[in-house]
Amino acid sequence: DTAVSQTPKYLVTQMGNDKSIKCEQNLGHDTMYWYKQDSKKFLKIMFSYNNKELIINETVPNRFSPKSPDKAHLNLHINSLELGDSAVYFCASSHAGRQGAGEQYFGPGTRLTVT
Amino acid sequence: TQLLEQSPQFLSIQEGENLTVYCNSSSVFSSLQWYRQEPGEGPVLLVTVVTGGEVKKLKRLTFQFGDARKDSSLHITAAQPGDTGLYLCAGQGLGSGNTGKLIFGQGTTLQVKP
Repeated sequence: DTAVSQTPKYLVTQMGNDKSIKCEQNLGHDTMYWYKQDSKKFLKIMFSYNNKELIINETVPNRFSPKSPDKAHLNLHINSLELGDSAVYFCASSHAGRQGAGEQYFGPGTRLTVT
Repeated sequence: TQLLEQSPQFLSIQEGENLTVYCNSSSVFSSLQWYRQEPGEGPVLLVTVVTGGEVKKLKRLTFQFGDARKDSSLHITAAQPGDTGLYLCAGQGLGSGNTGKLIFGQGTTLQVKP
C-alpha cells in the first residue's frame, strides 16, 4: 500500500557512468516531481510533470533527463555522473491546480553516491 | 527569486521544553506547508496554512501563518524525544499557478533529549 515508491534506495557508482532512478505513485495524482536534497538537507526542486507534460525545469544540467511514461511514473536518468551529483533524490506527487493546496507526498528517497 | 529563511537551523533541547521555529520571507505565498523528515525517509506533510493569520493545531504543535502571508511559525509545547527530526517549511508562490511548485526553507534540525 506504498503511496510513492522509488528504486533503488541506494546507488553507488563511478564518475562518468549513466544511471536511472525510478518512481511510481499509486495515489492517482496528476503531478510528479523530482527534488535534490544536498548534504545540508536543503531540498530543491528539479523537475515537475503534470499529466506527462514537463511543467517545471529548474536550471538543471541537461545530463539529467526525466521521463514520464504515464501519470503514475516519473523516472530520472542521469548521464555522465559527476561527484557533485552525490545527494539524496526525492520523488513526490500531488494534485496540482488546487488553489492553496499542492500538498506533496514524498517517496523514501534514493541516496546517490558518485565516487 | 522567492526565498524562505528558516530559523534556527539547529535546536537541541530537553524533554518538556517548549520551542518555536520561524519561517520568514519578503515574498507573499498563497499557502505554506510544514513537513517533518526523519533520517532515511522522505518529508511528511504536517499541515497546510492558507489564510493570513490562520492558526492550526496538531496535538502539541501549533502552526501560524502571518497576516501578510509572508511568514509562519511552528510552536511545539512540551517537546518529546519523538519530536526529534528535520522540520521544513515550504511555500507555494502566488505565481506558481497550477504547477504546484514549492519553495523550501533550509530546515530546522530538532533534537529532543530525554
